[in-house]
Order: sequence, then structure tokens, then C-alpha cells
Amino acid sequence: AQTVTQSQPEMSVQEAETVTLSCTYDTSESDYYLFWYKQPPSRQMILVIRQEAYKQQNATENRFSVNFQKAAKSFSLKISDSQLGDAAMYFCAYRSAGGNQFYFGTGTSLTVIP
Amino acid sequence: NAGVTQTPKFQVLKTGQSMTLQCAQDMNHNSMYWYRQDPGMGLRLIYYSASEGTTDKGEVPNGYNVSRLNKREFSLRLESAAPSQTSVYFCASWRARRTDTQYFGPGTRLTVL
Repeated sequence: AQTVTQSQPEMSVQEAETVTLSCTYDTSESDYYLFWYKQPPSRQMILVIRQEAYKQQNATENRFSVNFQKAAKSFSLKISDSQLGDAAMYFCAYRSAGGNQFYFGTGTSLTVIP
Repeated sequence: NAGVTQTPKFQVLKTGQSMTLQCAQDMNHNSMYWYRQDPGMGLRLIYYSASEGTTDKGEVPNGYNVSRLNKREFSLRLESAAPSQTSVYFCASWRARRTDTQYFGPGTRLTVL
């Protein structure tokens, strides 16, 4: 089984500031997909951003961007101009291109301070 | 288009009772999954069904059974509930295309007393 590690159980950020959430993964595959999900207090899991391993360009979705370092097996999420609505649990996930299982990290709880 | 639906949203059981969690998706997805979420543990895969007619164990299958009733529906059964099965359960589906992500249901909070 693949291992996905989120080493920051909790993070906090001031409103309007920038925060980076860390994720590392262990794989011997060269083709795979990485995801960041947001889980607000409502419990609904929401896709934030995805990255294809064979694409060198880092994915960006509005205020959310990733820093994908394939050699280091690192996939961090940067949230710019943090808003109160960004407060949530964030999960990093991995899927091999040829596989049908998704592997999740243990999550990072983000608090946004007004 | 309701996406992934789960019933019930909340359930309290006594130790030894049985119950079935229901999941349905209307997106014509091939694969369906059951996860449990516990504090500090992330999402752990219980069972999945890569396609209609197949089911496979995930990381934590003990104490659970599943049925892929048809392409739309995937149920999770607890035959004899234990307090260790107190958790939030999520159903998810995936179209099984390379770039696609999973889509999740709203979750079921289960408490076993």
C-alpha cells in the first residue's frame, strides 16, 4: 500500500495571509495523480486541486496552488489570501495511474484567525 | 443529479446489533468505495468495488460486509456492531478515468454503545 504523510495535524493562519500545508508520499510508480481535498465542518469532502505526476507545471485553482516536487515526493498546498471559509480539514491523496485505490493522509486541520 | 447519497446520516446502535448503510450514485460511475474516518487516522478504505459484480477488501475490512447491488448501489453491512466501529462512514464513487477524482457522499455518523 502507498503511504501518504501529512506531518502537520494542525495549522493556523491569519485572515488574508498565506499558508502552506505539507504532504509527502511514498511510491515506486512514475505515473500517478495527487489530490487535495477540503472537509469543512459539514463533513462534505470537496476536491480542491489535482496534479498529474507527468506534468511538470504546478496546478493552480484561483487562490489554491501546489508545489509538486516529484523527486522529493512532496506535494504541498498553498492557500493565498486566506479566508474564514478556508477553515477546514485538508486531506492529501494519491492514486497510481493504473490503480483504482486512493490513499489518504491523516489530514491537517486549518484554523483561520480573523 | 444528486451525486452520491448515503442513508442514514446518523445512527446509534447497541453492541451486537446489525445494520446496513446504503449508498447510491447517479453519475454512472464504475467504482465505488466505503471508507471510515476516525480522528487522527484520516480516511481508511474498508471495501471497494472496482466494477459491478466485484468487491475487494481494503485496509480495514474486519467486521464488515459489502454488496454491490447494481451499478448504482453499494451497501455496507455491520453484522454485529462493536464500539470500535464507532466512526464516520463515507461512500465514494469514481468514474475510473485517469484524471477523475472521487466523489463523496455526505457521510454517516455511527455510534455503537
